[in-house]
Amino acid sequence: GQNIDQPTEMTATEGAIVQINCTYQTSGFNGLFWYQQHAGEAPTFLSYNVLDGLEEKGRFSSFLSRSKGYSYLLLKELQMKDSASYLCAVMDSNYQLIWGAGTKLIIKP
Amino acid sequence: GAVVSQHPSWVICKSGTSVKIECRSLDFQATTMFWYRQFPKQSLMLMATSNEGSKATYEQGVEKDKFLINHASLTLSTLTVTSAHPEDSSFYICSARDSWPGETRPLHFGNGTRLTVT
Repeated sequence: GQNIDQPTEMTATEGAIVQINCTYQTSGFNGLFWYQQHAGEAPTFLSYNVLDGLEEKGRFSSFLSRSKGYSYLLLKELQMKDSASYLCAVMDSNYQLIWGAGTKLIIKP
Repeated sequence: GAVVSQHPSWVICKSGTSVKIECRSLDFQATTMFWYRQFPKQSLMLMATSNEGSKATYEQGVEKDKFLINHASLTLSTLTVTSAHPEDSSFYICSARDSWPGETRPLHFGNGTRLTVT
């Protein structure tokens, strides 16, 4: 079966760095997406990785290792507004998105 | 950037009535839109894929006669929850892919509709 694993919840301190991991087992791979979802709101697109390596976008970076079925989202200089759920999603060989359950990130002052 | 507009943002209805939710792509054409449902503290669950000019493709376990989808134009898809019951209360979110080339385009989401059935 297809499976996406990510931690349920993480806590970090304002100004610090946090890494949210995502491991996947899917039938085929056509890219991995990270989305941010604030409570009660729809998800917003953060990043897309299809090749191995690190993609940097401001305070957010996303890393992919296809051979290990592994990705992480790195958030630097954490701000209180970064408190949200972070969803990992993989596009399989049929171009269907398989969603992880999301990681709730709690930022403490 | 690509904008998806969803309306209404929230709706309260009585059990047995029907509710229509609209999803519009404002600055791009979307041949395919997706409808998701999200229960509290759970991940997104794909309900159906809406294809312009043809029938929607429903995921296993989703009743097509209860959740009617119409994708009449390249910028509008509607989801109608027919004969709503309290267990249909949920957060419904639509999405569409923007105009990157190829299939691996990111999804852009509407703001979601919170449905409460009393």
